[in-house]
Amino acid sequence: NAGVTQTPKFQVLKTGQSMTLQCAQDMNHNSMYWYRQDPGMGLRLIYYSASEGTTDKGEVPNGYNVSRLNKREFSLRLESAAPSQTSVYFCASGYSQPQHFGDGTRLSIL
Amino acid sequence: AQKITQTQPGMFVQEKEAVTLDCTYDTSDPSYGLFWYKQPSSGEMIFLIYQGSYDQQNATEGRYSLNFQKARKSANLVISASQLGDSAMYFCAMSGGSNYKLTFGKGTLLTVNP
Repeated sequence: NAGVTQTPKFQVLKTGQSMTLQCAQDMNHNSMYWYRQDPGMGLRLIYYSASEGTTDKGEVPNGYNVSRLNKREFSLRLESAAPSQTSVYFCASGYSQPQHFGDGTRLSIL
Repeated sequence: AQKITQTQPGMFVQEKEAVTLDCTYDTSDPSYGLFWYKQPSSGEMIFLIYQGSYDQQNATEGRYSLNFQKARKSANLVISASQLGDSAMYFCAMSGGSNYKLTFGKGTLLTVNP
């Protein structure tokens, strides 16, 4: 019973590099979400996808793009990484009852 | 817009005692949900308890209960008989609108002392 799986768990990038964070869920949820967690800020929504084929901006979308590849997978892309994007990134899935979270990706931008 | 406020950056409690973590919220949606999550030092987000805005009774899950006071817009988490393993960051969150995305508070760091 995997739930929500995020890869990679850790990543270090140089400023200007690009990368994609992967997320997959096996619970047949329609909605998927990407959050970032910074010290003292709680979790903030970057993008979400209410259903396959749709995506919408959250509170802090600048510098990110997303793709809802299919019902299971929702990826987050950093096209040109910046030090301000150093954070812990969480993917979540769900509908109305509690959103299930992945274990997070700890990303450092040097 | 939705807003969650957790006014206690840190709390201390003695083992086996009860503790209340405060959460107030603001929303214009008539239908919403309130959640509490636990984040231990290992980093994962663990769902604890949920309360719907139309639920008549306060939610309970084992040692966790949610003290829901709709008129005061508060959704406090009560942990009874605290255990050392309860030491963690606790986040209050709410959902609302058509897409059920969660808005989080900044969290309360709970330390349980032996």
